[in-house]
Amino acid sequence: QKEVEQDPGPLSVPEGAIVSLNCTYSNSAFQYFMWYRQYSRKGPELLMYTYSSGNKEDGRFTAQVDKSSKYISLFIRDSQPSDSATYLCATYTGANSKLTFGKGITLSVRP
Amino acid sequence: NAGVTQTPKFQVLKTGQSMTLQCAQDMNHNSMYWYRQDPGMGLRLIYYSASEGTTDKGEVPNGYNVSRLNKREFSLRLESAAPSQTSVYFCASSEPGTPRGNIQYFGAGTRLSVL
Repeated sequence: QKEVEQDPGPLSVPEGAIVSLNCTYSNSAFQYFMWYRQYSRKGPELLMYTYSSGNKEDGRFTAQVDKSSKYISLFIRDSQPSDSATYLCATYTGANSKLTFGKGITLSVRP
Repeated sequence: NAGVTQTPKFQVLKTGQSMTLQCAQDMNHNSMYWYRQDPGMGLRLIYYSASEGTTDKGEVPNGYNVSRLNKREFSLRLESAAPSQTSVYFCASSEPGTPRGNIQYFGAGTRLSVL
């Protein structure tokens, strides 16, 4: 079992839909959680960063971490065609540790 | 501020040819990384450099070598390219030891085809 599992998709939704993207992880030592967004033919860029359990909101995006069930989620409200991209979850245990990435899920938002 | 710059953006090689992928960052980060990204496989770490003068193998180092030329630059070399090395290569940098230090910043990638 890989340390971080992510549904490979792809996922296609109509504009305005609420999108839920999810990852699960196996290592209970993971404490820091991130979501990267990668547009086609571009490098990944940081979208959300959270520490430990709880929610973090940034505009239309909400990152949620449930450490008890080892579950990471990204919610996108009022999805837009400009949200069409690949989303990768990532996590690490602490300072000086390397990132562990999920494989990414490709989202397409239809106008 | 350019961030992480990779050259070239595209490259086509024949089997057995060699080439070096270049990466430079202007954020004064200590750590730098090379990944490859393949469909269905996600990002896989090839090599990383925790600081100037050090390099370590990642998940898929076979067929590659790296050089940390100075704090800014980290190159990836394919000595004898194989079709299995056809991929998109990303360089990244970070500054561990700071509160958000493990956040990695990525370049735009190099698309490599080996025929």
